[in-house]
Amino acid sequence: EDQVTQSPEALRLQEGESSSLNCSYTVSGLRGLFWYRQDPGKGPEFLFTLYSAGEEKEKERLKATLTKKESFLHITAPKPEDSATYLCAVQANDYKLSFGAGTTVTVRA
Amino acid sequence: DAEITQSPRHKITETGRQVTLACHQTWNHNNMFWYRQDLGHGLRLIHYSYGVQDTNKGEVSDGYSVSRSNTEDLPLTLESAASSQTSVYFCASSASSYNEQFFGPGTRLTVL
Repeated sequence: EDQVTQSPEALRLQEGESSSLNCSYTVSGLRGLFWYRQDPGKGPEFLFTLYSAGEEKEKERLKATLTKKESFLHITAPKPEDSATYLCAVQANDYKLSFGAGTTVTVRA
Repeated sequence: DAEITQSPRHKITETGRQVTLACHQTWNHNNMFWYRQDLGHGLRLIHYSYGVQDTNKGEVSDGYSVSRSNTEDLPLTLESAASSQTSVYFCASSASSYNEQFFGPGTRLTVL
C-alpha cells in the first residue's frame, strides 16, 4: 500500500526565516509527486509536479526537490502570505493520488 | 475562465437521509474525482471517473455512489447518511491521468 508521511505537522516561522518541509513516501512505481497549497476553507491549489529523483522546481519563494524516498519543499525568506497547509501527494502506477496529512505553516510578521 | 464548482458549500442533514453533492467543471476534463478530508488524515479518494459512463471505486467508497452522464458533472450520492460521513468533500478534475488535478472549493457536510 502506498504511504505518504509529511513532517512536521505544524511549523511556526518568523518572517524571513527559511525552512523546509519533508514528504517521505513508499510507493510501487512512482509516476509523479505533487505539491499543493491549501488555505483555510478552500480547496487545494496545485504548486508543482516532480517526476524523477534529482528534479527541482521553483515558484517565487518555494522550491521543491525529489529523491528516491522523499521530497522537500523549501520556503526561502517566507512572508505571512505563505501561511497555509502544504500537501504532498504521490501518483503510483495506477495513476491515483495518495495524499499526506499536510504541514501547516504559520509565518509571523 | 474555466472552473470547478461544488454545491452546496455547506449542508446539514440527518442520519439515514439521502444526500447528493454536486460537482461541475468547465475545463472539459475527462477525469473527475471525489475526495473526503478529515482532521489528521490526508485527502482520501472516494470515487473517480475517467469519462462518461465510467465510474470506479476509491479507497473509501462504502456508502457512496457516483454516476457520470456527461463530461461536466460528477454528482456524489450518500445513499443513507451516517455520522461517520461528516466531513469536507472535495471534487477535482484533470485533463488526463498524467496531469495535475484541479480542486473545487469543497462542501462541508454535517450528519446529525
